[in-house]
Amino acid sequence: AQTVTQSQPEMSVQEAETVTLSCTYDTSENNYYLFWYKQPPSRQMILVIRQEAYKQQNATENRFSVNFQKAAKSFSLKISDSQLGDTAMYFCAFMKQVGSQGNLIFGKGTKLSVKP
Amino acid sequence: NAGVTQTPKFQVLKTGQSMTLQCAQDMNHNSMYWYRQDPGMGLRLIYYSASEGTTDKGEVPNGYNVSRLNKREFSLRLESAAPSQTSVYFCASSVGPSYEQYFGPGTRLTVT
Repeated sequence: AQTVTQSQPEMSVQEAETVTLSCTYDTSENNYYLFWYKQPPSRQMILVIRQEAYKQQNATENRFSVNFQKAAKSFSLKISDSQLGDTAMYFCAFMKQVGSQGNLIFGKGTKLSVKP
Repeated sequence: NAGVTQTPKFQVLKTGQSMTLQCAQDMNHNSMYWYRQDPGMGLRLIYYSASEGTTDKGEVPNGYNVSRLNKREFSLRLESAAPSQTSVYFCASSVGPSYEQYFGPGTRLTVT
């Protein structure tokens, strides 16, 4: 069974600084997808970024980028130029490419606070 | 586009009562999902519908039933609510089973 681990329950960062959130996962699959979702106090789950395991290039979405290390089964999220609106819970999630039926496996989340 | 909508936003039930959570999406997505989120945990899949006319169990299906009413709507029913079902419930949809999922705003359910 797949598992996703986020080892940092809480983190804080100063506005305009850079922060990296860690995520590791365990799977025997070779083809899969990884996601970062953001959940602000409004509770809405918002997709931040997606990575396909077969792509060596790290995904980037504006100020958000990932460091995907397939051999190490690591998928960290880097937020550059942090903004107050980045304050949220961040969840790492895994999905098999074949046979998943869309079942996202989530980590327990990292609570990020951006301080002015 | 409203995306994924859920009703109600909040609900309080007594043990043994029943209710249905409603979910609708206007993105013409084929797949829909129900998750629950408990404190200190990520979301866990209750049921999913890979396409219209099909439903299947996820990780934590006990105590729930679902109906894929049509392509747009996917409801979750609690037949006899229990305190262990106190949670936040999220509906999500995607183009297909291997695509990113888009979530509704959630329903906070309390069972006393």
